[in-house]
Amino acid sequence: DIQMTQSPSSVSASVGDRVTITCRASQGVSSWLAWYQQKPGKAPNLLIYGASSLQSGVPSRFSGSGSGTDFTLTISSLQPEDFATYYCQQANSFPLTFGGGTKVEIK
Amino acid sequence: EVQLVESGGGLVQPGGSLRLSCAASGFTFSDHYMDWVRQAPGKGLEWVGRSRNKANSYTTQFAASVKGRFTISRDDSKNSLYLQMNSLKTEDTAVYYCTRVGNYSWFYDYWGQGTLVTVSS
Repeated sequence: DIQMTQSPSSVSASVGDRVTITCRASQGVSSWLAWYQQKPGKAPNLLIYGASSLQSGVPSRFSGSGSGTDFTLTISSLQPEDFATYYCQQANSFPLTFGGGTKVEIK
Repeated sequence: EVQLVESGGGLVQPGGSLRLSCAASGFTFSDHYMDWVRQAPGKGLEWVGRSRNKANSYTTQFAASVKGRFTISRDDSKNSLYLQMNSLKTEDTAVYYCTRVGNYSWFYDYWGQGTLVTVSS
């Protein structure tokens, strides 16, 4: 199984900050990587797919990069509605696996 | 508008069975792969299993943790997806999400609201 490791597990940031979250795969997943945002009590929401493609309707302050084993999600200017938990997921091979999550908290 | 609505969750004893349903609307259900993803209370996301479409022979695939205990079926005429869970264990306690695999993105572009399954005596 491919293990997905996210760092940090939590980050405290202020509105307007640039926030970067990393996701490392235990083996190469090419560009078969997505990022989701989850708010408390809600289902996750797809932000980025194919490592760097922005899902329709997602604000352009979200961006993704990387390929192979190392990926990043960047929020260029954190907004109040961005405080949430973020997950990466690989779809290169079964079983499909998720990272452990990164909680973005208000500083 | 795409909608996925799960139902069937509840409290069940260890060793028991439960069947979850997912009613889909707003898109051509028969064209899409559909997955179940779960989330234990306070924990991360875990892929449970996949249902492929008719073009791919309705094949299914499961996580090792549920293989042999869970089955997935679908009824394209009713735009519905099902998860039959047998021999339930306490560690199966989770919110279960029905998800649509995007035909373009190949990731989960739509999620249901989730249904809670609690396995406890």
